Amino acid sequence: NAGVTQTPKFRILKIGQSMTLQCTQDMNHNYMYWYRQDPGMGLKLIYYSVGAGITDKGEVPNGYNVSRSTTEDFPLRLELAAPSQTSVYFCASGPNEQYFGPGTRLTVT
Amino acid sequence: GQNIDQPTEMTATEGAIVQINCTYQTSGFNGLFWYQQHAGEAPTFLSYNVLDGLEEKGRFSSFLSRSKGYSYLLLKELQMKDSASYLCAVSGSWGKLQFGAGTQVVVTP
Repeated sequence: NAGVTQTPKFRILKIGQSMTLQCTQDMNHNYMYWYRQDPGMGLKLIYYSVGAGITDKGEVPNGYNVSRSTTEDFPLRLELAAPSQTSVYFCASGPNEQYFGPGTRLTVT
Repeated sequence: GQNIDQPTEMTATEGAIVQINCTYQTSGFNGLFWYQQHAGEAPTFLSYNVLDGLEEKGRFSSFLSRSKGYSYLLLKELQMKDSASYLCAVSGSWGKLQFGAGTQVVVTP
């Protein structure tokens, strides 16, 4: 099992560009989550999903969108990137304890 | 909403014991998690408490008092590899986690 995988590992975006962060899990978990972590801070929930076709906002959803067409995949879309979205993004899945992907380090300049 | 507080940093000597406290105020509670995060890496699961009391797992133990809104993580026989950030997280509905800012533990020789 690969667990939770994320691509890309690093990305630099210009202000106003868009991109999709990919997340895939092979553990057949229904619950999946996207978090962001700013330097020296804890993780904050952006969006979550309790199953294919079902998504909902977390604590900090502005500027992001998600979709969940399959159990395995939970992509996060950034529209019109802003410097405030510079962060490390973690995807996680789990029935109870959450398993985290390795993260995507995004810089918006 | 929820408020989760933990100390910013703690320093201890190799072989010693360190206790990391976490206090929380919550409108919903489905358990408390502790995660370990090494610099530049993803969080990894350490422990989970849903009932009051002590859970022991090797060198790591975690305690929960729901009536006091209090938990601690105890790290025994500290090793250099234990230098990391330790994240306290409260689980709410749908497994959503709200994280504290993390406690950086520095282990010195």
